[in-house]
Amino acid sequence: GDSVTQMEGPVTLSEEAFLTINCTYTATGYPSLFWYVQYPGEGLQLLLKATKADDKGSNKGFEATYRKETTSFHLEKGSVQVSDSAVYFCALSHVLNNNNDMRFGAGTRLTVKP
Amino acid sequence: DVKVTQSSRYLVKRTGEKVFLECVQDMDHENMFWYRQDPGLGLRLIYFSYDVKMKEKGDIPEGYSVSREKKERFSLILESASTNQTSMYLCASFDGTGNEKLFFGSGTQLSVL
Repeated sequence: GDSVTQMEGPVTLSEEAFLTINCTYTATGYPSLFWYVQYPGEGLQLLLKATKADDKGSNKGFEATYRKETTSFHLEKGSVQVSDSAVYFCALSHVLNNNNDMRFGAGTRLTVKP
Repeated sequence: DVKVTQSSRYLVKRTGEKVFLECVQDMDHENMFWYRQDPGLGLRLIYFSYDVKMKEKGDIPEGYSVSREKKERFSLILESASTNQTSMYLCASFDGTGNEKLFFGSGTQLSVL
């Protein structure tokens, strides 16, 4: 079945450091790919998404490119801030359904220190 | 602003108790979901609902049931709580207009003693 594997955390960085959180997937067909973020004490919220190969999703300085050849969707940010401290989840879904097939990775906790 | 509201942020129950977790959304979404979130396992789908009085099992439905009597409300029921149901429970609703975006509540941390 479909699955998502993301790098284990926790990840601790200093402010203004470069961030990469790796995500690879296994899926039939052509799923949509997502990054969700969970700030402390809050529910998950969509950070960015990409719906087809070579698409780049971007939001709040974060980027991820849908790479079909490597089945990856790595999250990057050039300069992290303390406010980026959160848990990040990679996910995939076959869009035309009702999202009941959304599959999440295990989550990666990021801590950014001043 | 869109809202998915879960009735309790923290809940402590005893083994064998019947537990109700409530979720309300104000976006008129047809699709609602219950997940549990455990360290190292990510989010796992328990049950989902496409419409009022309609429910479908997700990946881990054992020990749970759900109720959807009104469109805006989706309840998760633990018939007889057990310690392995200690977890963070997240409710979500789905924007089915083509945005493929899940809206999540802030979660209920349930501890079963």
